[in-house]
Amino acid sequence: AQSVTQLDSQVPVFEEAPVELRCNYSSSVSVYLFWYVQYPNQGLQLLLKYLSGSTLVKGINGFEAEFNKSQTSFHLRKPSVHISDTAEYFCAVSETDAGKSTFGDGTTLTVKP
Amino acid sequence: KAGVTQTPRYLIKTRGQQVTLSCSPISGHRSVSWYQQTPGQGLQFLFEYFSETQRNKGNFPGRFSGRQFSNSRSEMNVSTLELGDSALYLCASWEGVVGYEQYFGPGTRLTVT
Repeated sequence: AQSVTQLDSQVPVFEEAPVELRCNYSSSVSVYLFWYVQYPNQGLQLLLKYLSGSTLVKGINGFEAEFNKSQTSFHLRKPSVHISDTAEYFCAVSETDAGKSTFGDGTTLTVKP
Repeated sequence: KAGVTQTPRYLIKTRGQQVTLSCSPISGHRSVSWYQQTPGQGLQFLFEYFSETQRNKGNFPGRFSGRQFSNSRSEMNVSTLELGDSALYLCASWEGVVGYEQYFGPGTRLTVT
């Protein structure tokens, strides 16, 4: 069975500082990996996805993530955050397809001025 | 393209009642997945429908059911509501083919009193 662990429940950071949100997964087979963002009272929006190929994935809003198979990790990074990046971030894994994803518990990113 | 729409956005029901939630996917998408989001359990997969057939199912009791129509619109039904069913119910649609990602609707906030 697949599982996802987001290592930090809350990450406070100052505006224009870099940030890393950590995600580890567990699976016995090859997986597809996703990062989503959720703003208050909204649904989830896809930031980026890893299906295969290059392990460095670039997404929207300046985010990127690196797939590390040996460490079973898929950490999300942004070199310089903005106040508007304050939101809940979810890492998700799927062994079959995007339609059945297992989500982590989420990381609340708070960007302070 | 119009996004995923969910109706109603907010709903208040009484314990023991039943409820039906609706999801209209993005035009052309054949797959619809449902997720339950609660503060305690996080995001949990309910089921996925593809071309009117249930393709995947999560670990929820039989009180939770769904269906998909020929136009890909989907409904989920919860019978004999319990207080613990209070949650944000998210619907996601996608093409249903590996390589594509899910697009989430804004959710239906269900409160059971």
